[in-house]
Amino acid sequence: DIVLTQSPGTLSLSPGERATLSCRASQRVNSGYLAWIQQKPGQAPRLLIYAASIRATDIPDRFSGSGSGTDFTLTISRLEPEDFAMYYCEQYATSPRTFGRGTKVEV
Amino acid sequence: EVQLVQSGAEVRKPGESLRISCKASGYNFHKYWIAWVRQMPGKGLEWMGIINPDDSEITYGWAFQDQVTISADKSFSTVYLQWTSLKASDSGMYYCARRGDCPNGVCKDLDYWGQGTLVTVSS
Repeated sequence: DIVLTQSPGTLSLSPGERATLSCRASQRVNSGYLAWIQQKPGQAPRLLIYAASIRATDIPDRFSGSGSGTDFTLTISRLEPEDFAMYYCEQYATSPRTFGRGTKVEV
Repeated sequence: EVQLVQSGAEVRKPGESLRISCKASGYNFHKYWIAWVRQMPGKGLEWMGIINPDDSEITYGWAFQDQVTISADKSFSTVYLQWTSLKASDSGMYYCARRGDCPNGVCKDLDYWGQGTLVTVSS
């Protein structure tokens, strides 16, 4: 299985600051099929980014994804209050799909 | 509007059986695979498996093979997750999610999610 390692585990920032989250894969993620998923407390997860860099429907442009191969990054350019949440990366290039353990973005 | 609506919370005793459901609407059900994702209390997301509702082809995650059964009923646009003998360690939130399409040849994954079904297994 492809193991995804997310860092940092927790990111403490203030509204308006920039957030940079990392996701490293144990082997190459073919076709760049890496997604970023946001989950707020008590809510279902939501797709933010797919194919490493494409924003999903209705996702604001302050969210951007980059990377290829084994190293991927999610950047939130200016944190809004509603962005404080858990973020997971998921690879869907191979089965079984796998998730990272998540990065918590907190105030 | 695409919607995945899951069945309500369940409480069971160890050893009991259970089936939870995920009903799809707003799109052509048989064209999109549906996955199940587990989230144990206070923990992250775990990919359990995925089913093609059109032909019921299934892939399970290693940890869930032989532990659960995923099935689909096209006539009801519904996907199921079933246990024959629950354990306390099966307690958690279970989400269904749709594997997206491939606009311009680039595929999405998990583009729509159900609201989750909380399963509690306790004696």
